[in-house]
Amino acid sequence: SYELTQPPSVSVSPGQTATITCSGDNLGDDFASWYQQKPGQSPVLVIYQDNKRPSGIPERFSGSNSGNTATLTISGTQAMDEADYYCQTWATSTYVFGTGTKLTVL
Amino acid sequence: QVHLVQSGAEVKKPGSSVKVSCKTSGGTFSSYTFSWVRQAPGQGLEWMGKIIPVLDRATYAQKFLGRLTFTADRSTSTVYMELSSLTSDDTAVYYCARLTFNGDEGWFDPWGQGTLVIVSS
Repeated sequence: SYELTQPPSVSVSPGQTATITCSGDNLGDDFASWYQQKPGQSPVLVIYQDNKRPSGIPERFSGSNSGNTATLTISGTQAMDEADYYCQTWATSTYVFGTGTKLTVL
Repeated sequence: QVHLVQSGAEVKKPGSSVKVSCKTSGGTFSSYTFSWVRQAPGQGLEWMGKIIPVLDRATYAQKFLGRLTFTADRSTSTVYMELSSLTSDDTAVYYCARLTFNGDEGWFDPWGQGTLVIVSS
């Protein structure tokens, strides 16, 4: 089965840039989406089709996808961005989620 | 603005079934596709399948074949997820989400608030 691998954790200082990667075989051949999930809450879509932001998502969230890696970038990270982040794609007739990354803002 | 509201938490015995509802408000129910995604305690997200209410057509992830059923009631704009032969491994929060897709590829937005299902003897 197809797998998407993310680093378990990423730490960033407030105001700095956070980068979260998502790796999968030829991931760049398909679109990737990203979700933010805060403790006890439902996931929220922050990026779809590699680099599009839904209405209401701050401009500091951006995405890219090429080769075997999709990347979520948060510029000027704020304390409110501390959460779990999951990538997602379509592969082998199923929707697949990444393993998840806990972003700590310290 | 589409809003999804799910039914409340459930506690079930091993071997039994659970049925979770997801009621939609706002938007046009018949034009949407919905998916169910679950999350075991402390774990990641797992896609379970999708349903297209206007076609009454459901697709299930391989691991759930034979014990998962999605249905839709267009009169109440509600979709349902029923999972049978429950084991402790099915203890999880179950989410419904609208699936927007382009060909096969798609994304999930918005999500319901989640329904906790606990399977315990």
